[in-house]
Amino acid sequence: AQKVTQAQTEISVVEKEDVTLDCVYETRDTTYYLFWYKQPPSGELVFLIRRNSFDEQNEISGRYSWNFQKSTSSFNFTITASQVVDSAVYFCALSEPGRGADGLTFGKGTHLIIQP
Amino acid sequence: EAGVAQSPRYKIIEKRQSVAFWCNPISGHATLYWYQQILGQGPKLLIQFQNNGVVDDSQLPKDRFSAERLKGVDSTLKIQPAKLEDSAVYLCASSLDRTGNTIYFGEGSWLTVV
Repeated sequence: AQKVTQAQTEISVVEKEDVTLDCVYETRDTTYYLFWYKQPPSGELVFLIRRNSFDEQNEISGRYSWNFQKSTSSFNFTITASQVVDSAVYFCALSEPGRGADGLTFGKGTHLIIQP
Repeated sequence: EAGVAQSPRYKIIEKRQSVAFWCNPISGHATLYWYQQILGQGPKLLIQFQNNGVVDDSQLPKDRFSAERLKGVDSTLKIQPAKLEDSAVYLCASSLDRTGNTIYFGEGSWLTVV
């Protein structure tokens, strides 16, 4: 079974629209971390946010916001008033450090296309 | 602060040849990771080091892949002999330690095996 599921393979919206990228995760650990990364065409993975399992507060950073709900094992990412520069592949990832190694398990990514 | 450095950026080799990738993590980061990202997929962890020791290499194809971090700083990932399916981006990443800290990635080394 996939540990991190990003069901949306590709999303295309027009600039200035709001868009939400879904992420559902699976873990048996009580302590875990969730991440979002952005991967532009250049290939580098750019860190966006890290959230630990004990902090369910939603977070807002400029046009970006994240909604963490343990009850549904989801960690969704919303971009408000999207811009062309937001076009990229976005990855959700899970870290489970309880076993001594905390390497990330990534979802398959959502390709976001913002059309001008 | 300098980020994670990787080289070479691009490499094309023939199948059955060997290749090596180098990574220099962020200064002070004890944990170093190598990931493989095949086109259209999410990155997959190959190996994780804590200082110069391996903490997870469960997904490393050990018959052809090897990695080392002898002095606990720089690391080298080697593939020998390469197969067509090894064509991918090899991403190096680092973090302060292995307790869920933020993991920072380099730009990657793009490998094409022909």
